[in-house]
Amino acid sequence: AQSVTQPDIHITVSEGASLELRCNYSYGATPYLFWYVQSPGQGLQLLLKYFSGDTLVQGIKGFEAEFKRSQSSFNLRKPSVHWSDAAEYFCAVGPPNQAGTALIFGKGTTLSVSS
Amino acid sequence: NAGVTQTPKFRILKIGQSMTLQCTQDMNHNYMYWYRQDPGMGLKLIYYSVGAGITDKGEVPNGYNVSRSTTEDFPLRLELAAPSQTSVYFCASRRTGTGNPNEQYFGPGTRLTVT
Repeated sequence: AQSVTQPDIHITVSEGASLELRCNYSYGATPYLFWYVQSPGQGLQLLLKYFSGDTLVQGIKGFEAEFKRSQSSFNLRKPSVHWSDAAEYFCAVGPPNQAGTALIFGKGTTLSVSS
Repeated sequence: NAGVTQTPKFRILKIGQSMTLQCTQDMNHNYMYWYRQDPGMGLKLIYYSVGAGITDKGEVPNGYNVSRSTTEDFPLRLELAAPSQTSVYFCASRRTGTGNPNEQYFGPGTRLTVT
């Protein structure tokens, strides 16, 4: 079955420290991969996406993610966390074609930033 | 462009009442989606549409109905509200064609409470 696993429900990081949020997927083929961020009371904003090519992708707000096919992972990283990064982060996968099916989301990781 | 807009932002319903959640996008996207988000559960697909006049069920369609009479609008109807429908509802859209594999744009959400 297709699924996305975000093993960490809640992570706390000190401001200025580095961050890595984990995402593993189960899919029949290499899917398209996304990271979304949701600030409290807000909708989802796309941080970055991977379709093909370079396995290290850059996104907005200084985030990057690395696709590792052998590990079926797409981990999100940021070298120095800011207090404004406190939010919920969702990893999602989509089918590698133009079909109308929706994204499959992980359950999310809540990031808290301590001063 | 306003993107994807949703109304209302908040609503409290009594058990058995009905209501329609509105969703409009001004990007001329063919594909539209309704998700619900429950704490710790990520987003689950309720219904989706690949174009005007065409809708299909997602993972959790029970208790909901949709219609798609125009490209822009994709309303979600709750006929007999139940406490289990207390959730945050997100509408999303994406366009078809090359160069845009499944990137979805989300509305700000509707927070619904059924008591």
